[in-house]
Amino acid sequence: EPEVTQTPSHQVTQMGQEVILRCVPISNHLYFYWYRQILGQKVEFLVSFYNNEISEKSEIFDDQFSVERPDGSNFTLKIRSTKLEDSAMYFCASKWETQYFGPGTRLLVL
Amino acid sequence: SQQGEEDPQALSIQEGENATMNCSYKTSINNLQWYRQNSGRGLVHLILIRSNEREKHSGRLRVTLDTSKKSSSLLITASRAADTASYFCATAAATDSWGKLQFGAGTQVVVTP
Repeated sequence: EPEVTQTPSHQVTQMGQEVILRCVPISNHLYFYWYRQILGQKVEFLVSFYNNEISEKSEIFDDQFSVERPDGSNFTLKIRSTKLEDSAMYFCASKWETQYFGPGTRLLVL
Repeated sequence: SQQGEEDPQALSIQEGENATMNCSYKTSINNLQWYRQNSGRGLVHLILIRSNEREKHSGRLRVTLDTSKKSSSLLITASRAADTASYFCATAAATDSWGKLQFGAGTQVVVTP
């Protein structure tokens, strides 16, 4: 069964460093998303991506964040200068009708 | 803002019992989805119910949707220890073309053998 994959599963970084989180969505899906879940809190929407551009973003998704689909299969989330409060589990999802989520990347910013 | 809110926050049951949890939301939706999350892990899709549907079944899961009350319920029948997890409802707003999901805070279910 097709699934969304994410790498790395865990990432530890120093505050101020750039991180790139990678996702491979399900191949025939058209809509792509990033969400995050701070420990013990709700899953929060960050950004949606359709037709090679951002379709919607939340107020969390500020200028420090960017997304790309560089090669038609990968979908990346970049955080330019990480802050302590960026520590969270980041989920990628893709959709035809149902959103399927990847296993997440646990990001820890020290 | 539209959000799914689950009730109860936590549920502890014995194996073999049924578990029922509820979700309320605030605005019109296209669909409502239920997900399961084992501790610290990913979100596993359980079931999607469209706004024009009232009930759906998948194995031991039964989901109902009452759009007039803006609520949904998830019933897990004959629960097993492996059902121990957090369960989230997530709504896709009718006004949102891009389908982002808004999640509730979840119900933590513990099934003891």
